[in-house]
Amino acid sequence: DVKVTQSSRYLVKRTGEKVFLECVQDMDHENMFWYRQDPGLGLRLIYFSYDVKMKEKGDIPEGYSVSREKKERFSLILESASTNQTSMYLCASSPGTGGNQPQHFGDGTRLSIL
Amino acid sequence: AQSVTQLDSQVPVFEEAPVELRCNYSSSVSVYLFWYVQYPNQGLQLLLKYLSGSTLVKGINGFEAEFNKSQTSFHLRKPSVHISDTAEYFCAVSDPRTGTASKLTFGTGTRLQVTL
Repeated sequence: DVKVTQSSRYLVKRTGEKVFLECVQDMDHENMFWYRQDPGLGLRLIYFSYDVKMKEKGDIPEGYSVSREKKERFSLILESASTNQTSMYLCASSPGTGGNQPQHFGDGTRLSIL
Repeated sequence: AQSVTQLDSQVPVFEEAPVELRCNYSSSVSVYLFWYVQYPNQGLQLLLKYLSGSTLVKGINGFEAEFNKSQTSFHLRKPSVHISDTAEYFCAVSDPRTGTASKLTFGTGTRLQVTL
């Protein structure tokens, strides 16, 4: 069965800290995604990656960076956390290209920045 | 650019009643369409998808959706809901021309609240 694992379910950090959110998939998928989910706004794409070391900005990349050194792992980095980055973060993966493959999601990390 | 509109942020319904969750999309090209469900404290799970062919698509847990190209809609329906269907439902679209990753554009979600 498909499995996307996010390292933490809940995380509390302080303003100005560097924060790492980790995501691992076991399906050998080419594509990986990071979203943030906020009430009334749905899911918004932060960054995605279609291959190792390859990344592209999504709709709201400001304040974030990503790293994909291995195919199965995709990290989201908050360089200097701010309170407006308090949110639910969801990681997803999908195979191939062409837009017809559904994405598989992790259970999310609820991040609070104090 | 594509966009997805889910007009109803919340839909209350009694158990065993039918339900329809509305989704409209905007795109200058043909799209692929998806419905996802999110149960409390979980990630999103695929309910069903429309890629091509028959406009009526059946998914898991008794849900179905109908693609209507002229109305640019992809409404989700279930003839009789159960308490366990209480969740948030997201409609999403992707562009078949995508050369790399299959990016999705999501609606803002509809919270389905089923009561006795």
